[in-house]
Amino acid sequence: EPEVTQTPSHQVTQMGQEVILRCVPISNHLYFYWYRQILGQKVEFLVSFYNNEISEKSEIFDDQFSVERPDGSNFTLKIRSTKLEDSAMYFCASRPDLSRWSNSPLHFGNGTRLTVT
Amino acid sequence: ILNVEQSPQSLHVQEGDSTNFTCSFPSSNFYALHWYRWETAKSPEALFVMTLNGDEKKKGRISATLNTKEGYSYLYIKGSQPEDSATYLCAFNDYKLSFGAGTTVTVRA
Repeated sequence: EPEVTQTPSHQVTQMGQEVILRCVPISNHLYFYWYRQILGQKVEFLVSFYNNEISEKSEIFDDQFSVERPDGSNFTLKIRSTKLEDSAMYFCASRPDLSRWSNSPLHFGNGTRLTVT
Repeated sequence: ILNVEQSPQSLHVQEGDSTNFTCSFPSSNFYALHWYRWETAKSPEALFVMTLNGDEKKKGRISATLNTKEGYSYLYIKGSQPEDSATYLCAFNDYKLSFGAGTTVTVRA
């Protein structure tokens, strides 16, 4: 069964450094997401992406964050200058359909654990 | 920010026993409710997407019901097995999914 893959599984970085988290969504999927879970808290929405542009973003997704789909397969999340509070598990997800409103379940990757020291 | 609450936060079940737990969500502007199962070191896996009031869905020994008028959904596990041990997440579909904190189920052999 096709799956969403994320790399790396664990990333350690120093405060102020840039990080890029990588995701390969399922190949025929069209809508892509980033979520994160800070330890002990709820899974939080960051951003959704469709047709090479951001569809929705949360208040967490400020100017320090960016997403892109550089080559038609990878979907990346960049954090320009990491802060301690960015430490979290970051999940990529995708779904096959086009509609902003959809009943399709999301397919999640295994996550990247980001630790900012 | 939508308030999606799950209770209890965790529960321990003896193998073979049945159990259930709750997800509550805003009853206005309902579109869909998702349930995901999340095992340690794995990705969250979709169980159900529920859309209609009174919906009941079943997957093996796991089933879920939906009451959109009062804003709650129950997830049931019948005859719990150790492999059912996981965190069960519900998520309210306001086009981006707002998640509850999850119910962590531990099934003791």
